[in-house]
Amino acid sequence: AQSVAQPEDQVNVAEGNPLTVKCTYSVSGNPYLFWYVQYPNRGLQFLLKYITGDNLVKGSYGFEAEFNKSQTSFHLKKPSALVSDSALYFCAVRGLQAGTALIFGKGTTLSVSS
Amino acid sequence: NAGVTQTPKFQVLKTGQSMTLQCAQDMNHNSMYWYRQDPGMGLRLIYYSASEGTTDKGEVPNGYNVSRLNKREFSLRLESAAPSQTSVYFCASSEVGGGLVDTQYFGPGTRLTVL
Repeated sequence: AQSVAQPEDQVNVAEGNPLTVKCTYSVSGNPYLFWYVQYPNRGLQFLLKYITGDNLVKGSYGFEAEFNKSQTSFHLKKPSALVSDSALYFCAVRGLQAGTALIFGKGTTLSVSS
Repeated sequence: NAGVTQTPKFQVLKTGQSMTLQCAQDMNHNSMYWYRQDPGMGLRLIYYSASEGTTDKGEVPNGYNVSRLNKREFSLRLESAAPSQTSVYFCASSEVGGGLVDTQYFGPGTRLTVL
């Protein structure tokens, strides 16, 4: 069965420092992986996705993610965090059973302090 | 181009009442989805529609029904609301269904409380 794990409920970083939000996955076959961000009382916004090709994927707002097949990970990164990056981040994998519907992790709250 | 819109934004129901959540997209997407979001549980798929005229159950379909009214609209109905259905409901759409990889775009959500 397809699954996604986000091992940290919360990540705290200082503004200007690099940030990493972790995600590991379990899939059969090639993984199709996504990152979404949710600001308070808002819907989810797409950040980036990995389908195939370069293991480093660049997305919106300066975020990037590194796909690592041997470690089955897809960690979200940003070189220099902003206070405005504070939000809830979801990793997701495309599920097989429900067609193109996504299977989401439980989410990681990122808090960036000034 | 409004993207994905949902109505209402907020709703309070009493146990046993019924209601329909509306969703519309103006991106000409084939596939549409309904998710629910609960604290600490991420988003879980309720129902989806790969194309106009088709619907399928997701992970948590019990207590819900859906209608794909046309290509733009996908509604979610609670026939007899229960407190366990208190949640935030998100509608999403994507360009291509049928097993191909695509990006889902989400509406702003409906916050439902069942007393």
